[in-house]
Amino acid sequence: SQQGEEDPQALSIQEGENATMNCSYKTSINNLQWYRQNSGRGLVHLILIRSNEREKHSGRLRVTLDTSKKSSSLLITASRAADTASYFCATVPLETGGFKTIFGAGTRLFVKA
Amino acid sequence: EAQVTQNPRYLITVTGKKLTVTCSQNMNHEYMSWYRQDPGLGLRQIYYSMNVEVTDKGDVPEGYKVSRKEKRNFPLILESPSPNQTSLYFCASSLKGNQPQHFGDGTRLSIL
Repeated sequence: SQQGEEDPQALSIQEGENATMNCSYKTSINNLQWYRQNSGRGLVHLILIRSNEREKHSGRLRVTLDTSKKSSSLLITASRAADTASYFCATVPLETGGFKTIFGAGTRLFVKA
Repeated sequence: EAQVTQNPRYLITVTGKKLTVTCSQNMNHEYMSWYRQDPGLGLRQIYYSMNVEVTDKGDVPEGYKVSRKEKRNFPLILESPSPNQTSLYFCASSLKGNQPQHFGDGTRLSIL
């Protein structure tokens, strides 16, 4: 069953603007990860946030996690055309012992130059 | 260079003809996994392996088999492929099961 669900499904912004993507999940998790995928290529890990963390930064990325609402957001600041890609959240449900990974359907981000 | 290598990258075949997609990683990772990606559905986990000789089903295991005889290799076997297995397949590995995963470049399978 799909756990992570991203919102919006697609997002189009101008270069320099911020992009925010949201992810919701259903069960208690060990951690939540965000990945990026350039068209048809393999996914690349961006950032991992543990269940006891609320916010994490990495360069132009900022991730928040609200375990009470079972949701996370990924903010990309000062976006660039090269940020055009699909972004996926992935959860590791506690009930699976930390072995099963569930990906959402992804948000397609298009950054116009 | 740390990498996950999948072969073949592309394959067109016919219903019922057994095929194997190989996956190899050079990072001494314990955890390996197979996913399929279909439009609008994101990635769905087929099988995963926590270590040598230890495998378990993901969300969509029907029609697939795996084995993990060596730490570096995790082949995906389609014993009798059907058209609904036409998809983009990814192999991934990580140090442990809940750690960031390294992905291969994908295998695009078309089953006619």
